[in-house]
Amino acid sequence: ETGVTQTPRHLVMGMTNKKSLKCEQHLGHNAMYWYKQSAKKPLELMFVYSLEERVENNSVPSRFSPECPNSSHLFLHLHTLQPEDSALYLCASRRQGGNNEQFFGPGTRLTVL
Amino acid sequence: RKEVEQDPGPFNVPEGATVAFNCTYSNSASQSFFWYRQDCRKEPKLLMSVYSSGNEDGRFTAQLNRASQYISLLIRDSKLSDSATYLCVVNMNTGFQKLVFGTGTRLLVSP
Repeated sequence: ETGVTQTPRHLVMGMTNKKSLKCEQHLGHNAMYWYKQSAKKPLELMFVYSLEERVENNSVPSRFSPECPNSSHLFLHLHTLQPEDSALYLCASRRQGGNNEQFFGPGTRLTVL
Repeated sequence: RKEVEQDPGPFNVPEGATVAFNCTYSNSASQSFFWYRQDCRKEPKLLMSVYSSGNEDGRFTAQLNRASQYISLLIRDSKLSDSATYLCVVNMNTGFQKLVFGTGTRLLVSP
């Protein structure tokens, strides 16, 4: 399935690097989400964009900076990360309204050295 | 107290068995409820929504008890392909759907 794509799929970076994660949805949805999934912990919501406006910032450190230039694209800009930020970063999208399902991308496996 | 609590398992069952997963949530203002399935090293996918009246989809039955803040998932006639982690998920917002996930219950179905 290619409804929600994420690049890169794997990323290794040092603590002083700057990198960006990209998410693209081809489903005509108008809400997009970033989640973090660490080992042995539940998925944690990081950011929500609804109609390209950020509506939720779930107490995420400023070293994570999201960007939503249009309804199909979502970025997560990373700088000066810590080793504990190593995790699977999942993007999801949804059509607003009712109980519409969130569709997840395959995730980016991030390792911070 | 965790917002959404699940038994992490693993539940090891033989093919054909019936297995039930339970989940409790702490916020009585929760709006809607779901079960997601996540296969190893894959993304979560919606299995089914959970309604107060209970709902069934083939071999899967979900129940919600708002008074007890309790959600369940029953799987009948387990298949090998049912092996996965089952995530209990609660929506906290009526607007943009803010989902809170449990840690998941791992199911292993063996031949």
